[in-house]
Amino acid sequence: DQQVKQNSPSLSVQEGRISILNCDYTNSMFDYFLWYKKYPAEGPTFLISISSIKDKNEDGRFTVFLNKSAKHLSLHIVPSQPGDSAVYFCAASSSSNDYKLSFGAGTTVTVRA
Amino acid sequence: DAGVIQSPRHEVTEMGQEVTLRCKPISGHNSLFWYRQTMMRGLELLIYFNNNVPIDDSGMPEDRFSAKMPNASFSTLKIQPSEPRDSAVYFCASSLGTVGKHFGDGTRLSIL
Repeated sequence: DQQVKQNSPSLSVQEGRISILNCDYTNSMFDYFLWYKKYPAEGPTFLISISSIKDKNEDGRFTVFLNKSAKHLSLHIVPSQPGDSAVYFCAASSSSNDYKLSFGAGTTVTVRA
Repeated sequence: DAGVIQSPRHEVTEMGQEVTLRCKPISGHNSLFWYRQTMMRGLELLIYFNNNVPIDDSGMPEDRFSAKMPNASFSTLKIQPSEPRDSAVYFCASSLGTVGKHFGDGTRLSIL
């Protein structure tokens, strides 16, 4: 039972343009959300997170938006760079089990030069 | 600083054999996690240790899987006997507390 869903398996974007990755969740107990980035043959690395008390968090070129009523979050990367080509995982946890991350299936982003 | 170190990076073995995956967490981290990544199920938590004690092993698929953490700097995940459906990438992660997980580069396991 996938509690975190990334419905777009892949995304292709031109260098310099915006990448928008989407994530939906079903568990209303989730109150902390994260995005991880993964290169081939490497482990996931933490990118950015957001708590449910906020609706936006920004870190440089990366912004995460949270819409609690829709149980939806998105990651915006602007401008996109070739080094952003990777698999991006959305993950969520609840404060009652904050060690237990539920991951989405991932979205492969390809940034075209 | 060294990150989470996993060995081996790749393992190919025949079904029925015992497989042991190893993990060295980041020094000072008190939480350790084993994850499995497959095409069908994505990344799923197998087991979580805190201060070397298993806290949640509900994700361990079946009795063929076992994990130990004899000290703060070493953990193993063992599969005995191995089956082709165990083929996956196994990640170890560590953290100070439960958030801020640092992942190793994984072990790609192929069971023939």
